[in-house]
Amino acid sequence: ILNVEQSPQSLHVQEGDSTNFTCSFPSSNFYALHWYRWETAKSPEALFVMTLNGDEKKKGRISATLNTKEGYSYLYIKGSQPEDSATYLCAFPRGANNLFFGTGTRLTVIP
Amino acid sequence: KAGVTQTPRYLIKTRGQQVTLSCSPISGHRSVSWYQQTPGQGLQFLFEYFSETQRNKGNFPGRFSGRQFSNSRSEMNVSTLELGDSALYLCATGRGVQETQYFGPGTRLLVL
Repeated sequence: ILNVEQSPQSLHVQEGDSTNFTCSFPSSNFYALHWYRWETAKSPEALFVMTLNGDEKKKGRISATLNTKEGYSYLYIKGSQPEDSATYLCAFPRGANNLFFGTGTRLTVIP
Repeated sequence: KAGVTQTPRYLIKTRGQQVTLSCSPISGHRSVSWYQQTPGQGLQFLFEYFSETQRNKGNFPGRFSGRQFSNSRSEMNVSTLELGDSALYLCATGRGVQETQYFGPGTRLLVL
């Protein structure tokens, strides 16, 4: 994989459902993997910065895992709420403070 | 502490004009990165400045330039504007790629 790829592109879930998305990135020369949440009309908000293989991070109902050897990260949302509706972006550094972003997963939580 | 600020928030220009956007980082952050977001393209890296020096540059034409001042504030300039330059321009500041990058609210540029 040469770029950062995210799947699915979009997702509609019912309130209360749990969901997850995937970010695939180049597994060589790994520095870090960033997850962001971007709500409409706001700026991207950092969720996690993951640096170690096997990392698991959690923030409230949102958690993420990292596998640097195979080049993927999963983002999980437990018990989705309408306020979770946003685009979730992952980003992979290509140089000092140069983040290469995936195109994101657009999540819509239906009340 | 104050977040990342960008000015102006909205801008309308016509083709051929030039524009300057400003980004003030969080106090203590010396790195400023600029990104362009257009529909269907996602966030594209423009360039990054650290201690008044451009460290990285994305794949954009020479019409896009930037600079950083001694107080870490950064400006980006787009000359000879084209319709395709209409986009949201975001800046981000941080201490390094293994730490959180903080984004400003963005400048939405419309070129007519």
